[in-house]
Amino acid sequence: AQSVTQPDIHITVSEGASLELRCNYSYGATPYLFWYVQSPGQGLQLLLKYFSGDTLVQGIKGFEAEFKRSQSSFNLRKPSVHWSDAAEYFCAVGNNDMRFGAGTRLTVKP
Amino acid sequence: GAGVSQSPSNKVTEKGKDVELRCDPISGHTALYWYRQSLGQGLEFLIYFQGNSAPDKSGLPSDRFSAERTGGSVSTLTIQRTQQEDSAVYLCASRRTGLNTEAFFGQGTRLTVV
Repeated sequence: AQSVTQPDIHITVSEGASLELRCNYSYGATPYLFWYVQSPGQGLQLLLKYFSGDTLVQGIKGFEAEFKRSQSSFNLRKPSVHWSDAAEYFCAVGNNDMRFGAGTRLTVKP
Repeated sequence: GAGVSQSPSNKVTEKGKDVELRCDPISGHTALYWYRQSLGQGLEFLIYFQGNSAPDKSGLPSDRFSAERTGGSVSTLTIQRTQQEDSAVYLCASRRTGLNTEAFFGQGTRLTVV
């Protein structure tokens, strides 16, 4: 069965610092992979997606993620975090049905 | 419509009552998903529809939960004999079937069982 693990429940970074959020998945075939963001009181918004091809994908708001098949990972990165990036981040896997990780809450320090 | 629409946005019900939550997906989206998000928690998968059929019902927490989809469009999630632990935000998402598609989410229904 497919599953997603986000090892970090909560991460705090300083504004301007780099960010990496971890995501590991279990899936029987080549998966579709996604990162969504949920800001306080807001709905879920897609940041980026991977279907095939180039393993480094660019998303909105300056985010990128790299698919590493050998490590079953799809980590999200941003070179310089802004205070507005404070939110809950969810990794998801699924070609037909979709399963989400437990989420990582990002706090940004001034 | 322009996006996934869920109704009601908020629902307060008494313990033991039945509730129905509605999801209107984006027109033409054949896949539809229901998730539950409890306070401070991740997205718990409930059920997934492809057209009107549900290939995967494995996430429904108990037989008090059921869902249907008619006409390949609107879906209803029904919770019978609600309990306090059912309090959560119920999220619906839809997705166009085919390659390279992502799911779009509604704003959710916040269910409070008192």
